[in-house]
Amino acid sequence: AQSVAQPEDQVNVAEGNPLTVKCTYSVSGNPYLFWYVQYPNRGLQFLLKYITGDNLVKGSYGFEAEFNKSQTSFHLKKPSALVSDSALYFCAVRDRGAGGSYIPTFGRGTSLIVHP
Amino acid sequence: DAGVTQSPTHLIKTRGQQVTLRCSPKSGHDTVSWYQQALGQGPQFIFQYYEEEERQRGNFPDRFSGHQFPNYSSELNVNALLLGDSALYLCASSWDGVSYNEQFFGPGTRLTVL
Repeated sequence: AQSVAQPEDQVNVAEGNPLTVKCTYSVSGNPYLFWYVQYPNRGLQFLLKYITGDNLVKGSYGFEAEFNKSQTSFHLKKPSALVSDSALYFCAVRDRGAGGSYIPTFGRGTSLIVHP
Repeated sequence: DAGVTQSPTHLIKTRGQQVTLRCSPKSGHDTVSWYQQALGQGPQFIFQYYEEEERQRGNFPDRFSGHQFPNYSSELNVNALLLGDSALYLCASSWDGVSYNEQFFGPGTRLTVL
């Protein structure tokens, strides 16, 4: 079974400050991990993914995420937040093992609010 | 490239009615997945179609059914609508050739059941 948790419903940060959106996961084997962003009344947009290799993954719009296998975490980060980053962020996991699902499991989402 | 497109954008139905939602995948993609997103929740997987067959299904009743056409486009049908079916319905496409491919999402269809 695969699952993902986003422990914070909302994250508030001032513009220009660094931001972190947390995600932890559980899989039987090794994971594929994804971050998506959703703006109001829109579909999800892909930000970045971890497949294998370097634990620090860089993605769109200056976002990056760090894979930590021992802590089963994949936190989303950005060095300097913009007001336009305000949106809903979803972490997703997919078990890459032989019995793994074709389908990623999504977290409940974290609302990021960047204050001017 | 138009990306993933969905129609209609919005839909209002009454309880007991039936609805059909449509999705055209991103060019080059052969796999279509459907999700239900209730307000304030993450997307919940309904089912996935590949090679015109339902490959995997989430925990949704048989009132939810689908179809994939030879051109890879897809339909989601919901019968006997309930108030609880009100949600944003998202279609996502991907290419099955690589197992770690991300999904590309359409803008969704907002279904309101009165």
